[in-house]
Amino acid sequence: DIQLTQSPSFLSASVGDRVTVTCRATQGISSYLAWFQQKPGKAPKLLIYAASTLQSGVPSRFSGSGSGTEFTLTISSLQPEDFATYYCQQLNSYPRTFGQGTKVDIK
Amino acid sequence: EVQLVESGGGLVKPGGSLRLSCAASGFTFSDYSINWVRQAPGKGLEWVSSISSRSTYIYYADSVKGRFTISRDNAKNSVYLQMNSLRAEDTAVYYCARFTTSSWFDYWGQGTLVTVSS
Repeated sequence: DIQLTQSPSFLSASVGDRVTVTCRATQGISSYLAWFQQKPGKAPKLLIYAASTLQSGVPSRFSGSGSGTEFTLTISSLQPEDFATYYCQQLNSYPRTFGQGTKVDIK
Repeated sequence: EVQLVESGGGLVKPGGSLRLSCAASGFTFSDYSINWVRQAPGKGLEWVSSISSRSTYIYYADSVKGRFTISRDNAKNSVYLQMNSLRAEDTAVYYCARFTTSSWFDYWGQGTLVTVSS
């Protein structure tokens, strides 16, 4: 099975900060990676798919990059509504594993 | 409007059974694979199972293989998750989400809570 490791697991940031979350896979997954945002009590929301394609309706301050085993989610200027937990997920093979999550909190 | 609505959650004793449903509307259901993803209280997301559009391909996480069965009825726009031999560690909110190679996991239901406790 492919394991995904996100770093950091937790980060404190301020409104306006540039934030970067990394997701590393234990084996190459080409660009079969998605990023989700989840707020407490809500279902996950798709932000990025195919490693770098912005989902319709998602603000352009979100971007994704990478391929193979290392991927990055970047929020260019953190907004109050962006404080949430972020997950990566690989869709290269089954099981469709998720990273452990990165919680972005207010500094 | 695309909607996925889960139902069937509740409190069940260890060793018991429960059947979850995911009712879809607002899109051509038979074009999409459907996945179940769960989230234990305070924990991360765990993919559980997937069924392809015509039920040709079915996959399970090792943690549920042999105990859970996924199925679908395209005439009723619904997917089901039959959960047997439930354990305390199956306690979670269960979400269904649709998938194609062009849409990925773009729509999710609101989730249904399953609690396994004596």
